[in-house]
Amino acid sequence: EVQVVESGGGLVQPGGSLRLSCAAFGFSLKNYWMHWVRQAPGKGLVWVSRIDSEGTTTKYADSVKGRFTISRDNAKNTVYLQMNSLRDEDTAVYYCVFTSHHYLTNWGQGTLVTVSS
Amino acid sequence: SSVLTQSPSVSVAPGQTARITCGGDKIGTKSVHWYQQKPGQAPVVVVYDDSDRPSGIPERFSGSKYGNTATLTFSRVEAGDEADYYCQVWDGGSDYPVFGGGTKLTVL
Repeated sequence: EVQVVESGGGLVQPGGSLRLSCAAFGFSLKNYWMHWVRQAPGKGLVWVSRIDSEGTTTKYADSVKGRFTISRDNAKNTVYLQMNSLRDEDTAVYYCVFTSHHYLTNWGQGTLVTVSS
Repeated sequence: SSVLTQSPSVSVAPGQTARITCGGDKIGTKSVHWYQQKPGQAPVVVVYDDSDRPSGIPERFSGSKYGNTATLTFSRVEAGDEADYYCQVWDGGSDYPVFGGGTKLTVL
């Protein structure tokens, strides 16, 4: 089955760091753009970051710019989101999405990040 | 960057027609995509490029656009259509996707 599986979420204190991973199964990630989208509890979808298929271009939402870093290791079929200086408002389910379009076709099930003291 | 506006909620009786709108500046020049999200699940594309449906999405779901407003229409609404729906466009200037705030469809 073609899918992506997120991991690395959990409870972290404000100011702390986490690294999320998104592993692909049943296909190769190397031809796809990869995105991270988050959803705070009871709130809507918010795009966070994206990386192109070769890892040469990255983009970030203003709310995470300078704190989050997206990267990919095509040999390991995995994409990462390094999250530093975490804030309460970063609490959310983080979804990994792969696509070859300007819409987001294939979503993982998400991993919950909770920032709290 | 683009800002997309959706009504927070829409309610409809089973078997009736429901419409969810998505408004935004210059939306007429962009392709609009729609997602369905049920509680505890990841979003799923139900309409892409304004009016195309992925395989497996019922014909009861249709998308349209007029001026700066896109519409997702549900004909013969069923209880299983109850979900949150999000519109999305690609912001060409910033080169990333932008979502609307979402609309909760309630089937009475």
